[in-house]
Amino acid sequence: GAGVSQSPSNKVTEKGKDVELRCDPISGHTALYWYRQRLGQGLEFLIYFQGNSAPDKSGLPSDRFSAERTGESVSTLTIQRTQQEDSAVYLCASSPGLDQETQYFGPGTRLLVL
Amino acid sequence: DAKTTQPTSMDCAEGRAANLPCNHSTISGNEYVYWYRQIHSQGPQYIIHGLKNNETNEMASLIITEDRKSSTLILPHATLRDTAVYYCIVRVYSGNTGKLIFGQGTTLQVKP
Repeated sequence: GAGVSQSPSNKVTEKGKDVELRCDPISGHTALYWYRQRLGQGLEFLIYFQGNSAPDKSGLPSDRFSAERTGESVSTLTIQRTQQEDSAVYLCASSPGLDQETQYFGPGTRLLVL
Repeated sequence: DAKTTQPTSMDCAEGRAANLPCNHSTISGNEYVYWYRQIHSQGPQYIIHGLKNNETNEMASLIITEDRKSSTLILPHATLRDTAVYYCIVRVYSGNTGKLIFGQGTTLQVKP
């Protein structure tokens, strides 16, 4: 079956512009996660959705970052007024939403802010 | 979630077993040990997880010490495609969030 998909796969933008990153989770997965990975670093948790609500936004680095999820499916991560330090790979993962379940990751969106 | 300690890098000869250690001395009784790996330029891939007992699946085996303060991931016959960064993660599902906290992991280089 289809895995987690993300779009675009690559995004180059200018400093100060807004960007939207999209995640399509595995069908039926109620939990969805966003992570960020800077070059040569480990993954940083950003935000978690259970259904359409976000009980944990603790990883969002600033108020320039926001995310939403609709229809318990697609999620969009928006970065406003991008800065060069926002350059990273943004990874999305989904899971069935049960205890101790496996998270399945997408291929990521590589964002470069010039 | 408990912190884990892994070696920064390891080498393994192709066809031999790769044994990747992980220390998690502050693990709580309700925390599981998870292993993920990340092949270059891809998203992380789940490998295996366990609580107390040793576990085995088609990819690997997980050996957890009796005191649960450390574990070892075993790839029984490493191939060049197993070259990746391997992350050991301990976590409890809190009921509100199942986020994974990734450390720096172990870079495994499988050599011909």
